[in-house]
Amino acid sequence: DAKTTQPPSMDCAEGRAANLPCNHSTISGNEYVYWYRQIHSQGPQYIIHGLKNNETNEMASLIITEDRKSSTLILPHATLRDTAVYYCIVRVENGNKLVFGAGTILRVKS
Amino acid sequence: NAGVMQNPRHLVRRRGQEARLRCSPMKGHSHVYWYRQLPEEGLKFMVYLQKENIIDESGMPKERFSAEFPKEGPSILRIQQVVRGDSAAYFCASGQGAKNIQYFGAGTRLSVL
Repeated sequence: DAKTTQPPSMDCAEGRAANLPCNHSTISGNEYVYWYRQIHSQGPQYIIHGLKNNETNEMASLIITEDRKSSTLILPHATLRDTAVYYCIVRVENGNKLVFGAGTILRVKS
Repeated sequence: NAGVMQNPRHLVRRRGQEARLRCSPMKGHSHVYWYRQLPEEGLKFMVYLQKENIIDESGMPKERFSAEFPKEGPSILRIQQVVRGDSAAYFCASGQGAKNIQYFGAGTRLSVL
């Protein structure tokens, strides 16, 4: 599975959009971009995933660049409960393990 | 539809004892994954199982650790003769189908005294 690079930490004001970047320059054509988050040592929570088109669900939006070498997870209106470690992972869709990096610590502040 | 259920949530063992961690996947899921998170470290894959089969155990320590997912009942992660270095949070995830999105349980926190 391709490696990803994320900033170690970010701050966001409550109510504002949180934009979390991820670089995956060695992604293969059949690999998807997945986002998970882990809130204070709870089990990781699936957020969203996509291949090349932008995706949106009730939690977030995922914007993938045309060359697929990077992506951005957008939380449109961050709340204090969104404070967590966010992980960007690339994997084939029906693949095996998830390879977690260090992720981005997002701190939402009031 | 209940999520992935793990028990116990907390487990305390003395060095040399055995630890058994259980995971019931989401209804309809036949893929189970185990991950370990050591204190202040990231999540690491351990093993991937389907009913009665180990598909990938590349992340499992070679000794003392074993996993099973029987035809009936939960998946079990077994750690024999625990040592202090086994103290960690152990997470189970389940998935199914073409997308095979993994959904995680709340974890079992193992403390070895």
